[in-house]
Amino acid sequence: DTAVSQTPKYLVTQMGNDKSIKCEQNLGHDTMYWYKQDSKKFLKIMFSYNNKELIINETVPNRFSPKSPDKAHLNLHINSLELGDSAVYFCASSQDAGLAGITDTQYFGPGTRLTVL
Amino acid sequence: AQSVTQLGSHVSVSEGALVLLRCNYSSSVPPYLFWYVQYPNQGLQLLLKYTSAATLVKGINGFEAEFKKSETSFHLTKPSAHMSDAAEYFCAVSRRDSSYKLIFGSGTRLLVRP
Repeated sequence: DTAVSQTPKYLVTQMGNDKSIKCEQNLGHDTMYWYKQDSKKFLKIMFSYNNKELIINETVPNRFSPKSPDKAHLNLHINSLELGDSAVYFCASSQDAGLAGITDTQYFGPGTRLTVL
Repeated sequence: AQSVTQLGSHVSVSEGALVLLRCNYSSSVPPYLFWYVQYPNQGLQLLLKYTSAATLVKGINGFEAEFKKSETSFHLTKPSAHMSDAAEYFCAVSRRDSSYKLIFGSGTRLLVRP
C-alpha cells in the first residue's frame, strides 16, 4: 500500500486554466504539507495543515488554495495557471506538526509534475 | 534567519570510494537536522536525523552523519559508495521552537562512477 499518494502524476495544461492536485495519506498522520520543487531542485514549503487546520501559509499567490476535507486528504487547487507555476509539487505527511521544532519524519508522495504551456 | 548550505551541487565518486556530502547551518541555537534522499522521479525519503543528544547519527543504507556544533556542520558520509546511491541528497533544518517547517538546502547530486 502506498503511504502518500498523489494524483495525477503528470499534468500538462495551458496558461490561464484551473487545475487541482489530490493527495491522500494512509499513515494516520495528523499533519500534511505541500512543497514546490523548481527546475533547479530547490524545495520549498507552501502550506501545512494539522488536523485540517492551516498552520503554515508561506508567501504563495492567492491563486493557490489548499483544501483539507479530512486528516487523510490535502488537495491543492490552482487558479489562472502561469508559466512560472511549472514545477514538481510534492505532498508530504508527518504525525506531529512540530510546535517545538520538527522532529518527526516527513513522508513524501511521488510528486506531480505540472507543466504550463 | 535560519538557513542551510550544501557545498557542491554535484559530487562524483568511484564505486567503493568514500562519500562525503557537506551541510552547514546558520543558527544561533543548534537546530534539528535531517538528510533526505531523492531518487530519480521519486519523492524524498528520510536517510537520518539529529533530534537528540547523540551527535553521531546512523541512517539507512550505511549512511551516517555527525553533528558538530563548533563547525555548525552536519556532513553526510558513507564509507563505500554503491551504484544505487546515485541520487539527489538534501540537508534540512528545523528550529527548536514554534517553527512548524523544514528549511531545505539546495541539494547535492551524487554521481557514482563504475
